Amino acid sequence: NAGVTQTPKFQVLKTGQSMTLQCAQDMNHNSMYWYRQDPGMGLRLIYYSASEGTTDKGEVPNGYNVSRLNKREFSLRLESAAPSQTSVYFCASRTENFYNEQFFGPGTRLTVL
Amino acid sequence: DQQVKQNSPSLSVQEGRISILNCDYTNSMFDYFLWYKKYPAEGPTFLISISSIKDKNEDGRFTVFLNKSAKHLSLHIVPSQPGDSAVYFCAARSNTGFQKLVFGTGTRLLVSP
Repeated sequence: NAGVTQTPKFQVLKTGQSMTLQCAQDMNHNSMYWYRQDPGMGLRLIYYSASEGTTDKGEVPNGYNVSRLNKREFSLRLESAAPSQTSVYFCASRTENFYNEQFFGPGTRLTVL
Repeated sequence: DQQVKQNSPSLSVQEGRISILNCDYTNSMFDYFLWYKKYPAEGPTFLISISSIKDKNEDGRFTVFLNKSAKHLSLHIVPSQPGDSAVYFCAARSNTGFQKLVFGTGTRLLVSP
């Protein structure tokens, strides 16, 4: 049981390049999330998916797109990377019980030059 | 508009003493609060939570207190151990709409031997 996995762990892009961050969970959770963490800003929600086939914008969606490929996988795409997107990106999935705890992946550290 | 605030960016405590981490919130619609712990190069992990209908929840060395009238919660760690050194995020869940979490900016705790 791996929990939430993310690839890659590190990535360096040049301004204007595109890339996709991959996330998968094996806990059979319906809900999945993408966050970014910046110094002094905490964790900010980019996009989330309440179930397979549905996605919604979070707090900071501009410059990103997402795909909920199936129940396990939720990917985040940067179409044209900008230096402001330099950040650590976390994927999470959520339990369905009352506590609704979110389980996080190890993160992807992205640098855009 | 920071709905969840952790006003202390850092806290230093000696091993064996009490650590108190504070969190304030502004949204009266929050019905559930969680604390997450994050080590460097890892994703946040769930630590402890409290429902808005309670004022205290205890789990081993960790206790969370909620003061609804003051819109304030705190995490107490007793006794503190060097392995507790990490960044602690407070998070809140709204009872309206989809259950997203709003995170504070985090407090870095350093427990010295």
